[in-house]
Amino acid sequence: EVQLVESGGALEQPGGSLRLSCAASGFAFSSFAMTWVRQAPGKGLEWVSIISGSGDRTYYADSVKGRFTISRDDSKNTLYLQMNSLRAEDTATYYCAKGGLLIDDAFDIWGQGTMVTVSS
Amino acid sequence: SYVLTQPPSVAVAPGKTARITCGGNNIGHNSVHWYQQRPGQAPLLVIYYNTDRPSGIPERFSGSNSGTTATLTISRVVAGDEADYYCQVWDATNDSWVFGGGTQLTVL
Repeated sequence: EVQLVESGGALEQPGGSLRLSCAASGFAFSSFAMTWVRQAPGKGLEWVSIISGSGDRTYYADSVKGRFTISRDDSKNTLYLQMNSLRAEDTATYYCAKGGLLIDDAFDIWGQGTMVTVSS
Repeated sequence: SYVLTQPPSVAVAPGKTARITCGGNNIGHNSVHWYQQRPGQAPLLVIYYNTDRPSGIPERFSGSNSGTTATLTISRVVAGDEADYYCQVWDATNDSWVFGGGTQLTVL
């Protein structure tokens, strides 16, 4: 069964850091782009970042550029999102999703999400 | 940056056809993907590359894209189709993904 399971969400203070993880199973992880998408409470979907299957290309939304870093460990079939200098507006459910062989392929598998709350 | 515009809400009676639009500058030149998100659930891909349906998505779901508007069409709507729907494109100019604001589909 193809599955994505996120973890690492927590309550963190403004200015703090968190690392999210996404464990993948049931598909050839290293072949596919992987992405993070977030959703603030009661709001729409906001794309955060994507990494190519080879890991050599990464892209970020302007709202997180310079603060967040996406990475992958293909030996562990795991995607990461390092989140630094957290702000209140980063409060959201963070979903990881499986992309395709190309960066502009749709996100065909999603995890259930992990909640990040940034508050003092 | 590229902007996608969706109506906040669409309402349709059971058995009728729902059409959810997604407007963008020359969107017909882009590939559009559509997602369904039921309350409390993760998004689900329902249409990719404008018109293709993933395995398991009913044939009632179809898509089109031309000019400045992409459209998700849901035929013979049932109560289970009630959800938020999002369009998405890859903005190659800015190397970023863009989602529309979402449309809440209500089945009357």
